[in-house]
Amino acid sequence: DQQVKQNSPSLSVQEGRISILNCDYTNSMFDYFLWYKKYPAEGPTFLISISSIKDKNEDGRFTVFLNKSAKHLSLHIVPSQPGDSAVYFCAASATGTASKLTFGTGTRLQVTL
Amino acid sequence: DTAVSQTPKYLVTQMGNDKSIKCEQNLGHDTMYWYKQDSKKFLKIMFSYNNKELIINETVPNRFSPKSPDKAHLNLHINSLELGDSAVYFCASSPFQWGRELFFGEGSRLTVL
Repeated sequence: DQQVKQNSPSLSVQEGRISILNCDYTNSMFDYFLWYKKYPAEGPTFLISISSIKDKNEDGRFTVFLNKSAKHLSLHIVPSQPGDSAVYFCAASATGTASKLTFGTGTRLQVTL
Repeated sequence: DTAVSQTPKYLVTQMGNDKSIKCEQNLGHDTMYWYKQDSKKFLKIMFSYNNKELIINETVPNRFSPKSPDKAHLNLHINSLELGDSAVYFCASSPFQWGRELFFGEGSRLTVL
């Protein structure tokens, strides 16, 4: 049962444009969402998060939007840079489940020159 | 100086063998984890330890046995390896039990022949 879904396995964006990565979830108990970035041969690194009490969180070029009614979140990267080329994982957790994160399968972002 | 380090990074072995993967973190975190990324790219939690105490034990075969000699180390021992155990195993840590922002190691790619 895939509770966190990233339906786009890959995305290609030109440098300077906006990258939008999407994530859907099915478990209504999820109340905290995170994005991780992964380069080849490295472990995932935390990028940005959002609590379910918010609908937007911004950190520099990265903004995460949460639509609870649609059970959907998105990561916007503006402007996209070549160094942003990586696999982006969406993750979710529920209060009371400690740090048990449920991950999506990732979206590979390629930022082209 | 690597924050979360795993050894070995690559491991190729025969079915039926026993192998161990070691993990150490120098961040002073209380909580450590093992995650498995399978061939379909799902990252799933296996175990979590908080101050050497097991707090999360997902549905993992008994052939997998984690051991935490101290809060800076979490090792994973796998008995009687099977083909389906081939995966990338990620160790991670977080400052405390309820922390959701995990710090991952580089991963250990296990191939069972």
